[in-house]
Amino acid sequence: EDKVVQSPLSLVVHEGDTVTLNCSYEVTNFRSLLWYKQEKKAPTFLFMLTSSGIEKKSGRLSSILDKKELSSILNITATQTGDSAIYLCAGTDSGYALNFGKGTSLLVTP
Amino acid sequence: GAVVSQHPSRVICKSGTSVKIECRSLDFQATTMFWYRQFPKKSLMLMATSNEGSKATYEQGVEKDKFLINHASLTLSTLTVTSAHPEDSSFYICSAREGGGIIGNQPQHFGDGTRLSIL
Repeated sequence: EDKVVQSPLSLVVHEGDTVTLNCSYEVTNFRSLLWYKQEKKAPTFLFMLTSSGIEKKSGRLSSILDKKELSSILNITATQTGDSAIYLCAGTDSGYALNFGKGTSLLVTP
Repeated sequence: GAVVSQHPSRVICKSGTSVKIECRSLDFQATTMFWYRQFPKKSLMLMATSNEGSKATYEQGVEKDKFLINHASLTLSTLTVTSAHPEDSSFYICSAREGGGIIGNQPQHFGDGTRLSIL
């Protein structure tokens, strides 16, 4: 059975801190790993990773995939209160369906 | 960018009612759409994969007669919760990915979700 595990489940940091969120996966016929940010409504897309070792960046967020370790990390530098959200990691197989982890709930305090 | 519209955003109705939720890809064609369910403080659970022009593929434990899915066009999929009961109350979210094999591996984009409350 496919499995995606995120850690930590919950994190509280101060504004300006840097955080690293972890995701490990066991997905048969793995195709790609995706990161989403979920606030009050549906998830918004952050990154899709298919190749190992290539960092993707978007502003203060970056992510990288390690296919050897079956894992990925999401980094957020200089955190702001607007970064408070649930960050979801999901692996896809050949069918493109997303297998989600339980998410990491991030709270950034002023 | 890719926009997915989901309607309605909130439904409150009596037990026994059937509720239809629409999911539209606004600026791209989606051969495949997905329906998820999310319970409070839990992650998204895939219910079914909706393929344009063919029957949906349901995940184990999801009743196909209860959750009817129709994907009649490349931009529209509908989920009908038939004879809804209080235990069906949940947050339902659809997603769509652009194109098929020619376009390659595209990320899924989500609608805003529908909060369904059955009294």
